[in-house]
Amino acid sequence: KAGVTQTPRYLIKTRGQQVTLSCSPISGHRSVSWYQQTPGQGLQFLFEYFSETQRNKGNFPGRFSGRQFSNSRSEMNVSTLELGDSALYLCASSLARGPYNEQFFGPGTRLTVL
Amino acid sequence: AQTVTQSQPEMSVQEAETVTLSCTYDTSESNYYLFWYKQPPSRQMILVIRQEAYKQQNATENRFSVNFQKAAKSFSLKISDSQLGDTAMYFCAFMKRTEDDMRFGAGTRLTVKP
Repeated sequence: KAGVTQTPRYLIKTRGQQVTLSCSPISGHRSVSWYQQTPGQGLQFLFEYFSETQRNKGNFPGRFSGRQFSNSRSEMNVSTLELGDSALYLCASSLARGPYNEQFFGPGTRLTVL
Repeated sequence: AQTVTQSQPEMSVQEAETVTLSCTYDTSESNYYLFWYKQPPSRQMILVIRQEAYKQQNATENRFSVNFQKAAKSFSLKISDSQLGDTAMYFCAFMKRTEDDMRFGAGTRLTVKP
């Protein structure tokens, strides 16, 4: 069974631009969560999607948004990029919601904002 | 708010020896889950072990075991017979039973030396 895939793996953008990252969950998984990983702030929860609906959102500005499609694939979008948005963005999928469902992480997308 | 603290930024251990990574957390919840995740240099996060708060028995997965002290809000990870492949960042994480946003500690970088 294929694991969680994220595209692109690396991305370089300039301040003010916007970016879209993609996450394909493991087949059959319906819940997708996104995390931002930086050296300073560590791993922080961005949001979680289940059945095409955002179920939970972390403490991030509205520039960060996402969506989930009917096939459970998810995208996250960051508008008006800032230097501080440079990070590794991790996506994780699980069969269903709840901590008793193991989250499987993708390799991440490394975003660099210049 | 839930916080997770890992007080050891870096640790090292000789191959075949045992090492314990510390984690404390703060919560007013009674139903929650605790996790240890491993992030090798290739960056893909992997679940090492999971503990449900209402279970008194400490979780064990092969060479990995936890010491869960609920009253002290402590959740340490013991790695026995350390192997070179155990070299990685280890993250302690917390999740309420009723929500899906995982809170991570800052991580401990473990190096296993030959």
